[in-house]
This record gives sequence, C-alpha cells and structure tokens, in this order.
Amino acid sequence: SQQGEEDPQALSIQEGENATMNCSYKTSINNLQWYRQNSGRGLVHLILIRSNEREKHSGRLRVTLDTSKKSSSLLITASRAADTASYFCATPPGGSNYKLTFGKGTLLTVNP
Amino acid sequence: EPEVTQTPSHQVTQMGQEVILRCVPISNHLYFYWYRQILGQKVEFLVSFYNNEISEKSEIFDDQFSVERPDGSNFTLKIRSTKLEDSAMYFCASSAEAGNEQYFGPGTRLTVT
Repeated sequence: SQQGEEDPQALSIQEGENATMNCSYKTSINNLQWYRQNSGRGLVHLILIRSNEREKHSGRLRVTLDTSKKSSSLLITASRAADTASYFCATPPGGSNYKLTFGKGTLLTVNP
Repeated sequence: EPEVTQTPSHQVTQMGQEVILRCVPISNHLYFYWYRQILGQKVEFLVSFYNNEISEKSEIFDDQFSVERPDGSNFTLKIRSTKLEDSAMYFCASSAEAGNEQYFGPGTRLTVT
C-alpha cells in the first residue's frame, strides 16, 4: 500500500454511533494529520499527532498512533449527520517537513 | 478564527492560456503550499515555499508551474500554458512552522477546455 492509506473505503452508521477509521503508512514519520472534506469542498484540519504521542483527543475525536505498526486510527464518538464527509490521513513521508501525502480517504455517511 | 482564503473559487480557461490562482495564507504563517485534487483522486502535493524560495516540489510541478509571494499577504500559483489534464481543484495551505498543522483554503476549481 502507499503512504497514508485509509480503511475502510466507506462506512455507513446511524446517528449516535461511533465511527472508527484506520490509516496505515509505510515510512517513518514526524507526525500524522487527519482531515475532513465535505463533498467538493476544502480540507478541514482535525488533529495532528506527533510520532512521540500515542493518543490525542479533541472534542468527540480520538486519534491513536502506533509507530511500531505504522498505523493510526480516528474515532468519532456520538456521530451526527453533520459528520458525513470524507476523512483523510496525511503524513510527511520519509522525514519531509513540508510535503503531506494523502490517502484516498474513508467516506463516512451518518444516517439520521 | 484566521483562515486561508483563495480566489477565484472557479476558473474556466482555454487550453494554452495562462492562469494565476491566488491565495492569502494565515497572516502569521511562514510556510506556504499548493496541492491539487483531480476529480475522484487523491490530494497531491505540488510545492512548498518558505523564505521566498521553493523548499520542496513534486514531479508534477514542472516548468509550466511557478509560485510567487508578490507582497506580504498573497501567494500565487501560475500555470503558464494550461493543458486539459490541469483541470482540478487547487488548494493552498499554510503552516506556522515546518512539520506543524497545515491549514487549507477552500480551493479553486480550475476547468481547462
């Protein structure tokens, strides 16, 4: 797989349920960032987790990072219809401080 | 809350024409970036810019592309002679420091006919 690949590709849940999305990457990283994109719109930055952190919270978001497995997960708790969007992880590959490499994203649909 | 802005939101141009996409990064940020997203595909890095010079660029960013910070607030991407395959959403981003959060603008949808 390429740097920053999300899993699953699509996820459909009911409002109030939790949603978990996973991301795998190949090279060593300094940090990993999660973004949200509503259809045809811009990228909204959600959270950044650094390589020396294992878990980070922001509101209803919880991100974990396992550098030994080169993977990260994004948990959205108590989902709302407004959370419907595509979610991407992005990493600076090979120690780059500038370039972010994005995956194809997970399309989350939260049904009211 | 400060945000990155981009103009225009949609640009239609004919093949072979030059286009300039404009961005106003967050005011205290020092690092600037351009990315693009072809419809249905991944977001791809084009170039990063710091201290008035390119710090990193991708293989996509060939001689047809250039970037400039013409004044203290604007950051531009110029495509000299557009091709059909340049049709995409172009995103500008900025960050306070290298390796920090990159904040993206709403994008400019470029359509080359």
